[in-house]
Amino acid sequence: GENVEQHPSTLSVQEGDSAVIKCTYSDSASNYFPWYKQELGKGPQLIIDIRSNVGEKKDQRIAVTLNKTAKHFSLYITETQPEDSAVYFCAAEFWGGSQGNLIFGKGTKLSVKP
Amino acid sequence: DVKVTQSSRYLVKRTGEKVFLECVQDMDHENMFWYRQDPGLGLRLIYFSYDVKMKEKGDIPEGYSVSREKKERFSLILESASTNQTSMYLCASRAPATQPNTEAFFGQGTRLTVV
Repeated sequence: GENVEQHPSTLSVQEGDSAVIKCTYSDSASNYFPWYKQELGKGPQLIIDIRSNVGEKKDQRIAVTLNKTAKHFSLYITETQPEDSAVYFCAAEFWGGSQGNLIFGKGTKLSVKP
Repeated sequence: DVKVTQSSRYLVKRTGEKVFLECVQDMDHENMFWYRQDPGLGLRLIYFSYDVKMKEKGDIPEGYSVSREKKERFSLILESASTNQTSMYLCASRAPATQPNTEAFFGQGTRLTVV
């Protein structure tokens, strides 16, 4: 079946450093790639997304890149802060019939040390 | 403020019990989903629904069923709870993927413990 691989599973950085999380997907027809942040005790929340007609997108300290040829997309968080500590999930949309479903990676637990 | 609400934050049930997890969304979304979240396994899709009365199996439907009698409500049913169903359950809703804004909105999760 369709698959999304996410690395690393855990990531620890010092406050102010950058963090990078990488994902690969299996279906070349996928065209929507969201990233979700899950804080402790809460449901995941969308932080940024990218569509296949765009190679890069930025929103303040976070950015995403997409390489459709390699079926690879990445999340970059710059100038990390303790409140960035959370679990991050990448996802890719797979189409079955007339509807799309999001398949999620296994998550990356990011810890930002003050 | 858009909202997906799950009826319980924490549940403790006994093995063999029939368990109902309820989810309500106020965004008039056609699509609703139930995921299970386990450490190291991420979010795994149990069932989803594209419309009232419609349901589709996800990746791990065994031991579960669902009900969608009204557009805003999607229920997950554990027919006979087992200890291996102890997990965090997340409900989500989403507009059809053909629409421009296709963000999935999640509830806060229900942590179910089966003893």
